[in-house]
Amino acid sequence: DIQLTQSPSSLSAFVGDRITITCRASQTIDTYLNWYQQKPGKAPQLLIFGASRLQSGVPSRFSGSGSGTDFTLTISNLQPEDFATYLCQQSYDAVITFGQGTRLDIK
Amino acid sequence: QVQLQQRGAGLLKPSETLSLSCSVSGGSFSHYYWSWVRQPPGKALEWIGDILQDGITNYNPSLKSRVIISIDTSDNHFSLKLTSVTAADTAVYYCARHVAVGGIYFDPWGQGTLVSVSS
Repeated sequence: DIQLTQSPSSLSAFVGDRITITCRASQTIDTYLNWYQQKPGKAPQLLIFGASRLQSGVPSRFSGSGSGTDFTLTISNLQPEDFATYLCQQSYDAVITFGQGTRLDIK
Repeated sequence: QVQLQQRGAGLLKPSETLSLSCSVSGGSFSHYYWSWVRQPPGKALEWIGDILQDGITNYNPSLKSRVIISIDTSDNHFSLKLTSVTAADTAVYYCARHVAVGGIYFDPWGQGTLVSVSS
């Protein structure tokens, strides 16, 4: 199975900051990489698909980039509702896998 | 918009069979795969498998011997059965629509069901 490693595992930031989360795949996955936001006790919500395509309804302060093995999720101008856990997911392989998550806390 | 509503038992004993269902409303049930994903406490999400309207299934090899996903197109719902559960199957189980655009992503998701396995 393709392993996805997210870094950092957690980070703290202020409202208004710009942050970047990285997801690294154990082998090349082209751009078959998606990002989700998950809040405590809730299901994940899709933010970005195909590495860089913003899901409808998601604010433009969220952006994704990357291809091959290295991907980033960037959130600009952090808002209070953005403090959550962020997950990456690959679908290059027949066995779909997820990263372990990055928890974003308010500083 | 599409909504997924999960039902099923949340407390099981070892060796029992987990049974969950997911009802789909507000959108097309056809032409999509429908999936199950689980999240063990403190661990990464794990894809369990999915099913198309005609019954074609794909399973995670790690669970394949114990999983059955079925579908009822007349009633717009699909189900998960996981046999011979152990404590390692304790997790929040989610159903989700599997969308194939630029790869495969899951959207939307059900509300999640916490399933605990304990003697």
